[in-house]
Amino acid sequence: AQSVTQPDIHITVSEGASLELRCNYSYGATPYLFWYVQSPGQGLQLLLKYFSGDTLVQGIKGFEAEFKRSQSSFNLRKPSVHWSDAAEYFCAVGGFSSGGYNKLIFGAGTRLAVHP
Amino acid sequence: DSGVTQTPKHLITATGQRVTLRCSPRSGDLSVYWYQQSLDQGLQFLIQYYNGEERAKGNILERFSAQQFPDLHSELNLSSLELGDSALYFCASSEDPLSYSGNTIYFGEGSWLTVV
Repeated sequence: AQSVTQPDIHITVSEGASLELRCNYSYGATPYLFWYVQSPGQGLQLLLKYFSGDTLVQGIKGFEAEFKRSQSSFNLRKPSVHWSDAAEYFCAVGGFSSGGYNKLIFGAGTRLAVHP
Repeated sequence: DSGVTQTPKHLITATGQRVTLRCSPRSGDLSVYWYQQSLDQGLQFLIQYYNGEERAKGNILERFSAQQFPDLHSELNLSSLELGDSALYFCASSEDPLSYSGNTIYFGEGSWLTVV
């Protein structure tokens, strides 16, 4: 079955520290992978996506993620966290069925807190 | 701003009632999706429409229904509401789910539904 696991429910880092949010997926075919961020009371904003090609993808707000097929992982990283990065982060896997079904399966999310 | 517009932003209603949530997709997007976000279930895919036709169903209750109109806006109808239906309902849109060129799903800010 298709699934996404985000092992860390909560993470707290100090402002300026580096960040890595973990994501593992289970998907039968070549996955399309996404990271979304949700600030309190806000919708989901796309940070970055991986479809093919270079396994290290750059996103907005200084985030990057690396696709590792051998580990079924797509971890999100940022070298220096800002207080405004405090939010909930969702990893998602998507794909297409023969009927053109474009579905995203989300992980449970990781809530990031940033200490000044 | 993702370009996906949802109304209303907040809604409080009583058990047993019926509500309609409205969504306008991004300009040019033919596909609309509905997701439910709740504390216990996380982000769950409900249903997808493409150019007016239902394309796929997820974990949508029989009390819920949706449609996509010729102008491509969509409505999610929730009836016989229960306390457990209280959640954030997201609408999302994308261009063409049959495209394998890196389709991205963009989310609106959601409609908060509280059932009392």
